[in-house]
Amino acid sequence: AQSVSQHNHHVILSEAASLELGCNYSYGGTVNLFWYVQYPGQHLQLLLKYFSGDPLVKGIKGFEAEFIKSKFSFNLRKPSVQWSDTAEYFCAVNAHLERDDKIIFGKGTRLHILP
Amino acid sequence: DVKVTQSSRYLVKRTGEKVFLECVQDMDHENMFWYRQDPGLGLRLIYFSYDVKMKEKGDIPEGYSVSREKKERFSLILESASTNQTSMYLCASGGRYSPLHFGNGTRLTVT
Repeated sequence: AQSVSQHNHHVILSEAASLELGCNYSYGGTVNLFWYVQYPGQHLQLLLKYFSGDPLVKGIKGFEAEFIKSKFSFNLRKPSVQWSDTAEYFCAVNAHLERDDKIIFGKGTRLHILP
Repeated sequence: DVKVTQSSRYLVKRTGEKVFLECVQDMDHENMFWYRQDPGLGLRLIYFSYDVKMKEKGDIPEGYSVSREKKERFSLILESASTNQTSMYLCASGGRYSPLHFGNGTRLTVT
């Protein structure tokens, strides 16, 4: 069965620090990959997505992610975080199945930025 | 802008009650999903539907059922609510292989 693993459950950083959140998935076929963000009290929003082409994708608010197919990974990065990046981040994988597509989420990483 | 509307923001029900959670999307999306979100467990897929009257079990379907009579509406049903179903329920919709759009969620408390 498909699964998504996020390595860190809780990350605490100071402003201006660099960020990398790990995400690995298990599925051998074609996938689309996503990172979603949930700010406190708000609904989930799409941060960035990978469908095909350049494995380095850029999203909103200075975030980027790199798809490394050989490692089944899609890590999220940001060179310099801000206090407003405090949120919960979810990696998601859309596995292209024969009849339908199924989107599986990781357990989330809670990011706390110290001012 | 895509809108996914969940009928209730907060709901309190008693053990054993039948509970209906409604979700409507306005973008003619084929796919609709119900997740529950619990601290430390992330989003877990309950059921999804890729077409009208079609439904597929997700990872935790026990105790739930769904109904999709119209393309825009996807209902989650708790046949007999139990306290371990206290959670945040999220509805989402999307086209095939495309990102999901989420509703604001329904926080259900079963007492």
